[in-house]
Formats: sequence, C-alpha cells, structure tokens
Amino acid sequence: EVQLVQSGAEVKKPGESLKISCKGSGYSFTSFWIGWVRQMPGKGLEWMAIIYPGDSKTRYSPSFQGQVTISADKSITTAYLQWGSLKASDTAMYYCTRRRYYDSSALIDYWGLGTLVTVSS
Amino acid sequence: DIVMTQSPDSLAVSLGERATINCKSSQSVLYSSNNKNYLAWYQQRPGQPPKLLIYWASTRESGVPDRFSGSGSGTDFTLTISSLQAEDVAIYYCQQYYSTQGTFGQGTKVEIK
Repeated sequence: EVQLVQSGAEVKKPGESLKISCKGSGYSFTSFWIGWVRQMPGKGLEWMAIIYPGDSKTRYSPSFQGQVTISADKSITTAYLQWGSLKASDTAMYYCTRRRYYDSSALIDYWGLGTLVTVSS
Repeated sequence: DIVMTQSPDSLAVSLGERATINCKSSQSVLYSSNNKNYLAWYQQRPGQPPKLLIYWASTRESGVPDRFSGSGSGTDFTLTISSLQAEDVAIYYCQQYYSTQGTFGQGTKVEIK
C-alpha cells in the first residue's frame, strides 16, 4: 500500500526557518516524482515543487521559486520542503504528493494527510 | 500558464439527484500525439486531503463509485455525480496535468439541499 507520511503540525514565528518531511513507502521511491501542494486557509490548491529522487532533478512553480527548497534522501525514502525565513503568508496546509507518470504531466495519484504550518508572532 | 475555471462555485443538490460541475481551460489540454485529454478531477472531503477521482477526463480511478463520471474534450469538461449521496459532500477540483505546473480550478463546493 502506497503511503506518504508527513511530519506533524508546526507553529513558527516570522523569520524562523523550517523543514517539513514526507516519508514514502509501499512503492519504489526513486521511480516517481514526489512534490508539495499548498492550500491556504479556506483556499484552493497550488502546486509548489517536485523532485525525482532517482536523480534529484527538481522543478519549481515560478510562484515558489526562490521561496522554498525541495530535497529528498532516497536512503530513507523521505522528501523535504524547507523555508529559510518564514512569513505570516506561509500559513497553510502543505500536502506531500506523488505523481503517477515520469513524464512532465502533473497527475497526482497519492496525497499525504498534510502538515499544517502556522506562522504568527 | 493554463488557467482553469470551474462553475458554479457551489451547488446544493437533494440526495439522489444529479450534480453537474463544469471546468473550462484557457487553452486545449488535448494532446494531439496520443489524443488524450490531460484533465483530472479530485474530491476533497472536509478535513481530508484531496483524492483522485477521474483522469484522462473520463477514466475513473480504481475504487471510485460509478455514479461519478467525467466527460468533455479540448477546453470544456464536466464532472457528473448521477445520484448524490451524503458522503459526496465535498469540494471538487479539476486539474490540467498537460504541463508540469498542473494548475487547478478554484473548486466547487457540493452540499446537500
């Protein structure tokens, strides 16, 4: 059974750094793109970034390029999303996702339960 | 970027009745080399992550009840719930996955009348 198990909720202050994680299991971690989708409170879904753990190739949405960093450690089948300096506007639910196909298409077949990040002074 | 626009933003349907959601893309998501529409539908129940319902515009994901169906081609698509059940209360999103960006519609909230 494919599972994406995300790290727990975080409460941070503006300017702090953060790294959240997503552990994949039940499939070949190095053979599928894994990524992150943001959902701000009461809002829709926004794709942020993806990584191919097999060769560490990454892609970023222009909206998030330079704002976050995606990485993966294939030895422990875990992907990460990190911020260097959080802002209040980063408050959101962050979903870890797996893409079904290797090509550039963005179909998501599995979602983690989400990591709630709250940034408040 | 391909912009996805759903209508309506919300709808209330009686149990057992039909619910219809529309999705329009700003450019065609029909890929000529394989004649496939790169359009998916997701369901997000309250407090849960989204779940894949339909891909290639009309292919149901494994385990999805057959009351859910998708249709359309090019730029205009429809998700139909043939007989609304209580567990179908959710927000439904369309997504084009033609591009790496994979943009979503704004969502349509389905409630019980």
